[in-house]
Amino acid sequence: KAGVTQTPRYLIKTRGQQVTLSCSPISGHRSVSWYQQTPGQGLQFLFEYFSETQRNKGNFPGRFSGRQFSNSRSEMNVSTLELGDSALYLCATRDSEAETQYFGPGTRLLVL
Amino acid sequence: QKEVEQNSGPLSVPEGAIASLNCTYSDRGSQSFFWYRQYSGKSPELIMFIYSNGDKEDGRFTAQLNKASQYVSLLIRDSQPSDSATYLCAVNGNDMRFGAGTRLTVKP
Repeated sequence: KAGVTQTPRYLIKTRGQQVTLSCSPISGHRSVSWYQQTPGQGLQFLFEYFSETQRNKGNFPGRFSGRQFSNSRSEMNVSTLELGDSALYLCATRDSEAETQYFGPGTRLLVL
Repeated sequence: QKEVEQNSGPLSVPEGAIASLNCTYSDRGSQSFFWYRQYSGKSPELIMFIYSNGDKEDGRFTAQLNKASQYVSLLIRDSQPSDSATYLCAVNGNDMRFGAGTRLTVKP
């Protein structure tokens, strides 16, 4: 099976702009979780989607949002970008019956 | 108190030695525990998971879980320079929580 794919891999934006990141899960995986990773805060949970519904949400402001499509692909959106949003954004997918998550390669976002 | 705590390191061991990585967690309701390895500039990759108290071995890796002490560890036997990476402990309760990671360096 093909692995988790994320697009784009790298992105440069300026403060105030918005950005949309995409994640395509492993075939058959219906759960998609998003994480933000920074050197200072480590890996932090953003939200999880399962069957097009948000199942869990981490402690991030409303500027961070997501959605999942019927083919399980997921997007996350960050509006009104701030310098502190510069990070590696990772998605991880899993089979609905299993707890093991598999990570995509990540999208590295730089906000100037 | 952080929900999942790890020594940030760096932990340095000579090649061939045993590396011991530790993790404590605060949520007593946590059911499953994972160790991920992350090379610099790469995404985390799963090494092992453990659900039950005791030891679980997979090749050179052994995960140990003690739910009463809320403690999980990873032992790497016969450490190799290729094991040099950051090791992330993850705990699954209501959602997956990660520790900050321990940076391991294996010196030839």
